Amino acid sequence: EDKVVQSPLSLVVHEGDTVTLNCSYEVTNFRSLLWYKQEKKAPTFLFMLTSSGIEKKSGRLSSILDKKELFSILNITATQTGDSAVYLCAVLDTNAGKSTFGDGTTLTVKP
Amino acid sequence: DAGVIQSPRHEVTEMGQEVTLRCKLISGHNSLFWYRQTMMRGLELLIYFNNNVPIDDSGMPEDRFSAKMPNASFSTLKIQPSEPRDSAVYFCASSQGHANTGELFFGEGSRLTVL
Repeated sequence: EDKVVQSPLSLVVHEGDTVTLNCSYEVTNFRSLLWYKQEKKAPTFLFMLTSSGIEKKSGRLSSILDKKELFSILNITATQTGDSAVYLCAVLDTNAGKSTFGDGTTLTVKP
Repeated sequence: DAGVIQSPRHEVTEMGQEVTLRCKLISGHNSLFWYRQTMMRGLELLIYFNNNVPIDDSGMPEDRFSAKMPNASFSTLKIQPSEPRDSAVYFCASSQGHANTGELFFGEGSRLTVL
C-alpha cells in the first residue's frame, strides 16, 4: 500500500522566517510527487515533481525531489501571513492511477 | 471555466437518513475522484473513475456508500443510511489524464454533519 508521511505536523513561525516542510513516501510504481496548498477550502496545486534533483520554483516557494531517498522538501522563504495553510504532499502511482495524500503540515505564520 | 462544482456545500442530517452528494467535472476532464477529509484520517480516496468507469473503489468504507457516474461530466456519492462517523468534508476532484499529469482540480467540498 502506498504511503506518504509528512513532517512536521504543524509549525508556527513569524513573518520573514524560512520554513522547510518534509515529505517521505513509499509507492509501488512512482510516477510523480505533488504539493498542494489548502487554505479554508479545497487543495490547490503548487508543484509536480518527477525527476530527482531538479528544483521547481514559484516565487518564494520551491521544491525538490530525491527519488533515491524517497523524499521531497517544500521551502518557503520570507514567509507571509498569507502562507498560513495546510500543505499536502501526494504521490501518484502509475499503475494504480491514483494519488495518495499525506496528513499535511499545518503552517501558521504570525505577524 | 467554472471549475469542479459540488453540491450541497453544507448538509446537516440525522442518523439513518440518505445523503446524496453531487459533483460536476471540468469540461474535458476524464478522471474523477471522491475524497473524504477528517481531522483524524486526513484526505482519503474513496473511489475514482476513468472515462465513466469505476477503477478503484477499495477506499469506500462499506456497503452504505455508493458512487455513480451516469455521464462524462457528473457524479454522485450516496450514503444510505448515514451514521455520525460519516461526518466529514467530501471532496470531488477531476483530472485530465490523471495517470500522466497527476494534477487534481478539487471542488470546494461538501461538509456533511450527521447527528
